[in-house]
Amino acid sequence: SQQGEEDPQALSIQEGENATMNCSYKTSINNLQWYRQNSGRGLVHLILIRSNEREKHSGRLRVTLDTSKKSSSLLITASRAADTASYFCATAVAGGTSYGKLTFGQGTILTVHP
Amino acid sequence: SQTIHQWPATLVQPVGSPLSLECTVEGTSNPNLYWYRQAAGRGLQLLFYSVGIGQISSEVPQNLSASRPQDRQFILSSKKLLLSDSGFYLCAWSPTGQAKNIQYFGAGTRLSVL
Repeated sequence: SQQGEEDPQALSIQEGENATMNCSYKTSINNLQWYRQNSGRGLVHLILIRSNEREKHSGRLRVTLDTSKKSSSLLITASRAADTASYFCATAVAGGTSYGKLTFGQGTILTVHP
Repeated sequence: SQTIHQWPATLVQPVGSPLSLECTVEGTSNPNLYWYRQAAGRGLQLLFYSVGIGQISSEVPQNLSASRPQDRQFILSSKKLLLSDSGFYLCAWSPTGQAKNIQYFGAGTRLSVL
């Protein structure tokens, strides 16, 4: 079953605008990660936030995590046409022998128009 | 540095034919290995994962099987393909013994069963 659910399913913006994507999940987690996928390619890891962290930055990326609401958001500031891709959140379930397994959401398709 | 190779990039197979997709990882030892299927460019469904040679766990009952004959080799197989096996197949690896469980993906195989 898909633990993570992204919102919106698709987002279309102009270059220079900010893009915000949200992710909700159901169970307790060790960490939450965001990945990017260009069309027809493999996924690339962007950023990881641990369950005891509330906010993390990496370049133009800002991730927040609210464990009480079981939600996360990814903000891409000053977007560029090259940011056009699908973005997925993935959760690592807390406890047990998860063997590094992640549960991926359905993704948000971001289109940035030049 | 670590690299992951997945081939072929595209494959067109008739219904009822066998399948063998291969994935190899270089530059690391004893990785966790994963096979995912992605339908219509959306969410990833975990099919199999492996924590060691000959150790395979199946997440979803289906027409496919996986094997890990060597430490850094992961193979996805089918004896007889179904139309519903069409999709985008992704192999990934993650380091063992780390809580971060970041996954690194291959470029994917686009399988069309006709």
